[in-house]
Amino acid sequence: GDSVTQMEGPVTLSEEAFLTINCTYTATGYPSLFWYVQYPGEGLQLLLKATKADDKGSNKGFEATYRKETTSFHLEKGSVQVSDSAVYFCALSNNAGNMLTFGGGTRLMVKP
Amino acid sequence: NAGVTQTPKFQVLKTGQSMTLQCAQDMNHEYMSWYRQDPGMGLRLIHYSVGAGITDQGEVPNGYNVSRSTTEDFPLRLLSAAPSQTSVYFCASSLGRGLDEQYFGPGTRLTVT
Repeated sequence: GDSVTQMEGPVTLSEEAFLTINCTYTATGYPSLFWYVQYPGEGLQLLLKATKADDKGSNKGFEATYRKETTSFHLEKGSVQVSDSAVYFCALSNNAGNMLTFGGGTRLMVKP
Repeated sequence: NAGVTQTPKFQVLKTGQSMTLQCAQDMNHEYMSWYRQDPGMGLRLIHYSVGAGITDQGEVPNGYNVSRSTTEDFPLRLLSAAPSQTSVYFCASSLGRGLDEQYFGPGTRLTVT
């Protein structure tokens, strides 16, 4: 079945550091890929998405590129802020579009 | 718009008790779903609904029932709670399937002793 693997956290960075959170997936067909973010005490919010190979999703300075050849969707940000501290989830949507499969989540902690 | 609302925020149950987690959305979304979140396992789909009167099982449906009598409401029922159901439960809705953004509620933290 479909699966998503993320790097384990926590990831601890200083403010203005470069961020990469790795995400790889296994799926049949051509899934859509997502990054969701969960701030403390809240539900998940969509951060960005990509629907086909080589698409780049971007939002709030974050970006991720759908790489079909390496089955990856790594999240990057050039300069993190304390307010980016949260848990980040990579996810894919199956071909039928009725199910999201999530990775285990990566906690990011940004120190001033 | 209130978005997706869930009640209660916290709940403690004894093994064998039953309860219903409430979920409502005011965005006229057709698609609604329930997830459970466990440490290190991300979110796993319990049940989902593609419209009023239609429900289907997700990845981990055992021990849970759902119904969808209206577009707005999608309650999750635990018939006989077990400690393995201790988790944080999230309800989500979206306009349609797949590519559409899912909007999540704030969650219900359930402890079964």
